[in-house]
Amino acid sequence: DQQVKQNSPSLSVQEGRISILNCDYTNSMFDYFLWYKKYPAEGPTFLISISSIKDKNEDGRFTVFLNKSAKHLSLHIVPSQPGDSAVYFCAATDNAGNMLTFGGGTRLMVKP
Amino acid sequence: DVKVTQSSRYLVKRTGEKVFLECVQDMDHENMFWYRQDPGLGLRLIYFSYDVKMKEKGDIPEGYSVSREKKERFSLILESASTNQTSMYLCASSLPGAGVFYEQYFGPGTRLTVT
Repeated sequence: DQQVKQNSPSLSVQEGRISILNCDYTNSMFDYFLWYKKYPAEGPTFLISISSIKDKNEDGRFTVFLNKSAKHLSLHIVPSQPGDSAVYFCAATDNAGNMLTFGGGTRLMVKP
Repeated sequence: DVKVTQSSRYLVKRTGEKVFLECVQDMDHENMFWYRQDPGLGLRLIYFSYDVKMKEKGDIPEGYSVSREKKERFSLILESASTNQTSMYLCASSLPGAGVFYEQYFGPGTRLTVT
């Protein structure tokens, strides 16, 4: 049973608009969350993270929101750019080691 | 600049062959990981290693083994390749610790096809 779920396999957004990617988790022991971005034929690269002691973390055009009571996090990209087109994975970890549990990914397409 | 390299970008093997996938990192990281990526399933952990000669099973270790003889090198071995092991294989490394140290650095991946 997947502990981290990204229920939208794909998302299409117009350039300049906001992209919102969602992620749900079931394990209440998770206390740190990360977003990775993956282009075709490349490995995933780290994008942004958030600790469970925060509810928001911002880095330029990227903001991650965490709702612990709902076990839900989201990644906002504003404004979206064609270069943001990629697969986005959310990942989570508890404090018992350095393993990450990944979601299934969401393919974002930003149309010019 | 951090770097994780994998020995092959594309590999085609026959059913029953023994397959070696090599990963090297130059960041002096203690932790190294092997994942496979399949559509809709995300990245699933096969094995990880937190030190030389140490290894732990991940979520899907069946049909795989690993070797870590040197800190910078982590090998994934498919003892007898099967068609259901056709996948993208990703290696990653990280430092031990919490918070920002959870970030893992990935190699470019090896697309393995077993026929």
